[in-house]
Amino acid sequence: DAGITQSPRHKVTETGTPVTLRCHQTENHRYMYWYRQDPGHGLRLIHYSYGVKDTDKGEVSDGYSVSRSKTEDFLLTLESATSSQTSVYFCAISESIQRGDEQYFGPGTRLTVT
Amino acid sequence: AQSVTQLDSQVPVFEEAPVELRCNYSSSVSVYLFWYVQYPNQGLQLLLKYLSGSTLVKGINGFEAEFNKSQTSFHLRKPSVHISDTAEYFCAVLMDSNYQLIWGAGTKLIIKP
Repeated sequence: DAGITQSPRHKVTETGTPVTLRCHQTENHRYMYWYRQDPGHGLRLIHYSYGVKDTDKGEVSDGYSVSRSKTEDFLLTLESATSSQTSVYFCAISESIQRGDEQYFGPGTRLTVT
Repeated sequence: AQSVTQLDSQVPVFEEAPVELRCNYSSSVSVYLFWYVQYPNQGLQLLLKYLSGSTLVKGINGFEAEFNKSQTSFHLRKPSVHISDTAEYFCAVLMDSNYQLIWGAGTKLIIKP
């Protein structure tokens, strides 16, 4: 299995509080991604990174920010959590995009915003 | 906007029967195509992918898929399913215009004993 960990694995938080999710990889892959998974929607890309300090927005980036200060870590921050951000969040990594490389997924973080 | 459609949200099938999970996408540009599987309470893992060459692609666990460019489809098949195939299956398409994966909504495969 690809070395990807996510922390925390479960979190319950209140509306309006900031939340940071962490993704850590040991594969030295260049690309890292944050997705959210909701029933009936499949996976939707929030943000992705193509190198240290290089990030870009995905399909559903509003309300989320990311940072990547080291190759191995990619942080997702909800500045002020809302109930619509209750979801399962997956981190993924890949060596490249253009070659059609596989994305390897972490185990997920289940976030509940009350 | 590009889209990926998985026509069935759930597919119930008896054990040892064949199954086909359907995937259609909207694109006239070059694409790469993927099927991922998600077992209960786990992350996703790659089943198979089509990049180029033969339109019939074989993957892990006895699954295969056929790329049909004229019908913009990439249906997943298995000749005989097992209880361990119970999972959700996701089709995804990588467009070479922006190199972002577009995901289908998923199909839950339910194996009946």
